[in-house]
Amino acid sequence: DAMVIQNPRYQVTQFGKPVTLSCSQTLNHNVMYWYQQKSSQAPKLLFHYYDKDFNNEADTPDNFQSRRPNTSFCFLDIRSPGLGDAAMYLCATSREATTDTQYFGPGTRLTVL
Amino acid sequence: SQQGEEDPQALSIQEGENATMNCSYKTSINNLQWYRQNSGRGLVHLILIRSNEREKHSGRLRVTLDTSKKSSSLLITASRAADTASYFCATDAIKAAGNKLTFGGGTRVLVKP
Repeated sequence: DAMVIQNPRYQVTQFGKPVTLSCSQTLNHNVMYWYQQKSSQAPKLLFHYYDKDFNNEADTPDNFQSRRPNTSFCFLDIRSPGLGDAAMYLCATSREATTDTQYFGPGTRLTVL
Repeated sequence: SQQGEEDPQALSIQEGENATMNCSYKTSINNLQWYRQNSGRGLVHLILIRSNEREKHSGRLRVTLDTSKKSSSLLITASRAADTASYFCATDAIKAAGNKLTFGGGTRVLVKP
């Protein structure tokens, strides 16, 4: 089945230790997104790629970076995780427009010790 | 404040009852979407309603949209324990930078067996 896959599902890192979360999709969608979601809150868009074009949200901290080496894969790099970065990180895709239906992966729960 | 705000924040009902939640937004939109999120999982798209539509059905789901009041409602009929989840509305604001989806804060629904 076509889907959005996130690895790992649970990630534990130490304060200040770089961490990379990965997302892959078999939907062949043009747009890929990374959201941060804290407990009982709405998902907050960090950035998205339209094909190879990177679009950063104005309030996304510089600590967060992303790479999309090809259509299928997208990575979220947190260069120096702080305690406040502990959250669920959700990857999503949409076919064309950023207002199309979005398809989400199961998320990666990040714990920062 | 968020583009989409949901009411109530939490809802507890008995199995078999109907659940209604509302979403209000501030600016004109192209479409409004509803998503469900089970605890610790990604979001799942439920239904999309366009700005020129007033009502849409999908199985036990009924969505209404009133653009004059800038509000939408999601009705789940004959609820089941498996409907226990958080429900988010997402709007795309016309002329917003990049026309991205913005998620509301969500309504947490508990269906008691």
